[in-house]
Amino acid sequence: AQSVTQPDIHITVSEGASLELRCNYSYGATPYLFWYVQSPGQGLQLLLKYFSGDTLVQGIKGFEAEFKRSQSSFNLRKPSVHWSDAAEYFCAVGFSSGSARQLTFGSGTQLTVLP
Amino acid sequence: NAGVTQTPKFQVLKTGQSMTLQCAQDMNHNSMYWYRQDPGMGLRLIYYSASEGTTDKGEVPNGYNVSRLNKREFSLRLESAAPSQTSVYFCASRDFSSYNSPLHFGNGTRLTVT
Repeated sequence: AQSVTQPDIHITVSEGASLELRCNYSYGATPYLFWYVQSPGQGLQLLLKYFSGDTLVQGIKGFEAEFKRSQSSFNLRKPSVHWSDAAEYFCAVGFSSGSARQLTFGSGTQLTVLP
Repeated sequence: NAGVTQTPKFQVLKTGQSMTLQCAQDMNHNSMYWYRQDPGMGLRLIYYSASEGTTDKGEVPNGYNVSRLNKREFSLRLESAAPSQTSVYFCASRDFSSYNSPLHFGNGTRLTVT
């Protein structure tokens, strides 16, 4: 069975600093990988996704993520964090089998941004 | 663009009461999902509907039932609420014709069972 691990429950960075959120997955084949962001009281919004091709993918709000097959990782990065980036971030892995029962989510990483 | 709409936004129930959470999407998606979100546990799939007329259990279906009323609407019912069902519930939809398509989420229903 597939699984997703986000090892950092909570990360605090200063505004303007760089950010990296970690995500590791366990899945037998090439997964479809997603990062979502959740602001307080809101649903989840898609930041970016990877399914094939270039292993460095660009998303909205200046985020990017790199798929590393050898490390089973899909870490999210941003060069300079803004106060509005404070939110909870979820990594998710999808099936390639075509099953509608898709997307296993990690437990989330809460990001706090200091002024 | 409304996207995925959930009602109500908040609900407080007493143990043993029943209620239905409503979800509607206007994106013509064929697949719809119900998740619950609990601190430290991410999102867990309760039930899903791959297409109109079908429903299947997810990871945590006990205590819930669902109805795919039509292509737009997918409701979640708690027949006899328990404190363990206190959670935030999210409805989501996607276009299953493209199996790498992302989920689109509603804004959630915060449910408290006392």
